Amino acid sequence: GEDVEQSLFLSVREGDSSVINCTYTDSSSTYLYWYKQEPGAGLQLLTYIFSNMDMKQDQRLTVLLNKKDKHLSLRIADTQTGDSAIYFCAEKVTDKLIFGTGTRLQVFP
Amino acid sequence: NAGVTQTPKFQVLKTGQSMTLQCAQDMNHEYMSWYRQDPGMGLRLIHYSVGAGITDQGEVPNGYNVSRSTTEDFPLRLLSAAPSQTSVYFCASNPPGLRGETQYFGPGTRLLVL
Repeated sequence: GEDVEQSLFLSVREGDSSVINCTYTDSSSTYLYWYKQEPGAGLQLLTYIFSNMDMKQDQRLTVLLNKKDKHLSLRIADTQTGDSAIYFCAEKVTDKLIFGTGTRLQVFP
Repeated sequence: NAGVTQTPKFQVLKTGQSMTLQCAQDMNHEYMSWYRQDPGMGLRLIHYSVGAGITDQGEVPNGYNVSRSTTEDFPLRLLSAAPSQTSVYFCASNPPGLRGETQYFGPGTRLLVL
């Protein structure tokens, strides 16, 4: 079956790095995504990675994919208070997106 | 482009009432989807459409109907609202293939069923 899991909460100090983890079960996933949801808003794509890649870096964001373990992570360098939000990972299965439960990131000064 | 728009933003219903959540997109996307978001459960797919005249069920379709008479619009109907349908509803659209392209999400409709 299709299942995507994330831890529910992460709290970090401003300026530190944040690492948000995600595990998925469907090995046929071709693309994996990270979305950000700010309070009262819809989801916004942050970055994505194709399944034949191990890593993708985009400014402060680094995505690591371990396809063998079906593990995806998002690292945010120099975390800022504006990064406080809920972060969702999602896997593409056929033409549908399967979302994780979301990780609430809280950044404190 | 307005992107994906949803109306209303907020709605309170009594059990048994019916209503339609509206969703429209002006990006000429073929694919449109409806999700509900509940605490600790992420987004769950309700119904989706791969083009005008074509709809299909997602993970949690019971209690909801959809239709797709035009490319632009994808309304979600609750025929007899239940408290279990209290949630935040998101509409999304995307071009076919879902490669690097993402789904574009609307701002959401917050629904409370009493």
